[in-house]
Amino acid sequence: EVQLVESGGGLVQPGRSLRLSCAASGFTFDDYAMHWVRQAPGKGLEWVSGISWNSGSIGYADSVKGRFTISRDNAKNSLYLQMNSLRAEDTALYYCAKDRGPLPGRDAFDIWGQGTMVTVSS
Amino acid sequence: QSVLTQPPSVSGAPGQRVTISCTGSSSNIGAGYDVHWYQQLPGTAPKLLIYGNSNRPSGVPDRFSGSKSGTSASLAITGLQAEDEADYYCQSYDSSLSSFGTGTKVTVL
Repeated sequence: EVQLVESGGGLVQPGRSLRLSCAASGFTFDDYAMHWVRQAPGKGLEWVSGISWNSGSIGYADSVKGRFTISRDNAKNSLYLQMNSLRAEDTALYYCAKDRGPLPGRDAFDIWGQGTMVTVSS
Repeated sequence: QSVLTQPPSVSGAPGQRVTISCTGSSSNIGAGYDVHWYQQLPGTAPKLLIYGNSNRPSGVPDRFSGSKSGTSASLAITGLQAEDEADYYCQSYDSSLSSFGTGTKVTVL
């Protein structure tokens, strides 16, 4: 079964850090680009970051650039998001999503995890 | 701020046809980049509905169709059913890689 399972969310104080993980199974992980997408409570979807199959192409939304770092370990079929200098506005459900192609940006996201909640509050 | 604008809501009676617009610009949809559509049922993760402007993944009913023209795209739902009540998002590429639309809530009357 094709599956993405996120973990690492939780309650964190403003200014602190958190690392999200996404475990992939059921498909050839290193053939595809991967993404993080977030959804604040009651709000729409916001693309956060994407990474190509070989980590050679990486992109970030302006709202997280310089604070968040996406990475992947193809040997472990895993995707990560290191989130530093967290702000209240980063509070959201964070989804891991698989791209239909090897490079981020052009193709659709065909597989989504169930998300992990990040709450930034003092 | 999303660069893709959708109407906040649309509604229709069962069996009717509804359409959702996705308005972009010359830097995204108008530049020739594909548009994709997602359905998000209440309390669940988004699901890919349409990719590459008008293609349906396996398992998506043919009641759902997509089109694109100029700087805009549309999602049409024909034969509206109660289970179609959900939020719908368009997605395309722009200078910041991917961007989602503002989202549209479809209500079945």
